Amino acid sequence: DSGVTQTPKHLITATGQRVTLRCSPRSGDLSVYWYQQSLDQGLQFLIQYYNGEERAKGNILERFSAQQFPDLHSELNLSSLELGDSALYFCASSVGGGPWGAGELFFGEGSRLTVL
Amino acid sequence: GNSVTQMEGPVTLSEEAFLTINCTYTATGYPSLFWYVQYPGEGLQLLLKATKADDKGSNKGFEATYRKETTSFHLEKGSVQVSDSAVYFCALSVPLRGSQGNLIFGKGTKLSVKP
Repeated sequence: DSGVTQTPKHLITATGQRVTLRCSPRSGDLSVYWYQQSLDQGLQFLIQYYNGEERAKGNILERFSAQQFPDLHSELNLSSLELGDSALYFCASSVGGGPWGAGELFFGEGSRLTVL
Repeated sequence: GNSVTQMEGPVTLSEEAFLTINCTYTATGYPSLFWYVQYPGEGLQLLLKATKADDKGSNKGFEATYRKETTSFHLEKGSVQVSDSAVYFCALSVPLRGSQGNLIFGKGTKLSVKP
């Protein structure tokens, strides 16, 4: 058990819909990262938050957004869903993640999104 | 830019065989290097890491040596077990000021070990 909790574990929805994925980091970790894992693209970094502030942005679509709340949990919002958004979405956390690099990341078990 | 290239799988081995999964990287600055493992149905977990040139990371019988001259971090294990069947990801982290502070992953190599 990594200590990172993601909900829901599975989600099935239709095209055009909007979903929210939730992540609770390990106790004491200030950084939260979101990754998308699909068969064709591999593991793609989406976005990172550090202590409530956006720290880094990767290949995140404009239809997607995220935030980190004062209690450090994070939510990833996916809207106007398309078939190609079907993937496993991982959240990870780390103690640091400021300017000096991520160091070790601890991953949750992922949220599997299926868009029909 | 920063990137990681690892050998494509799947790799299928018999139990007790020797394992090598190649990983090379391109990075500005001085990266830290990692191997993560993803067992079926689970999230990624750190297997080993090395933070500077010539460091050797090791865990659970796996080893990898940070080779700056060849920009490589190959994963090895002398005798694999069925329980090692998983997807292995090579990754790097570059300490930079500014917006980049995350891990960059390779595409992953699926390992299947047969009894």
